[in-house]
Amino acid sequence: QKEVEQNSGPLSVPEGAIASLNCTYSDRGSQSFFWYRQYSGKSPELIMSIYSNGDKEDGRFTAQLNKASQYVSLLIRDSQPSDSATYLCAVRVDSARQLTFGSGTQLTVLP
Amino acid sequence: DTAVSQTPKYLVTQMGNDKSIKCEQNLGHDTMYWYKQDSKKFLKIMFSYNNKELIINETVPNRFSPKSPDKAHLNLHINSLELGDSAVYFCASSQDAGHGNTIYFGEGSWLTVV
Repeated sequence: QKEVEQNSGPLSVPEGAIASLNCTYSDRGSQSFFWYRQYSGKSPELIMSIYSNGDKEDGRFTAQLNKASQYVSLLIRDSQPSDSATYLCAVRVDSARQLTFGSGTQLTVLP
Repeated sequence: DTAVSQTPKYLVTQMGNDKSIKCEQNLGHDTMYWYKQDSKKFLKIMFSYNNKELIINETVPNRFSPKSPDKAHLNLHINSLELGDSAVYFCASSQDAGHGNTIYFGEGSWLTVV
């Protein structure tokens, strides 16, 4: 079983719609959760971090964490073509000194 | 100014060669990392150094050897390159190894072994 799982996609949504990206993790000791965006040929860049259950909003982005169900999601409202990228979920266990990444979900926003 | 910089950005080399990738960060961070991203976009930790000390050494072939001359630099040397080593290698850094710290990535080094 992979430690961090994401649907690889591709996920396509029309411009202006809500894009929903999901991630599940296996280690119940996980404490920190991150969403990175990676454009083709570029490096990952952090867009959201979340540490406690519930929702965290930042502009058009909302991260949702449910530790009991071991999932974390990212919602992108009013999706724009510039949001087209691969979104990587990353999880850190408190005792670990590294992030474990999922394989990413490729999102395409259609104009 | 680039926060985490790595060179070279592109590297094409033949099997059996030895090559190095250099990384420098100007963020004043204590912890640096090397990640490998394969063709399926899977990003996997290879090594981590905290203030020049090795703290993570994942299961990678011993042909890969990191070296940290100071806490702002973490270089990756690869001996006897193989076709399967072709990937993108990302250097990264964080303030320290604590769980809440953001990891900042360099722009990547695209290694192709032919």
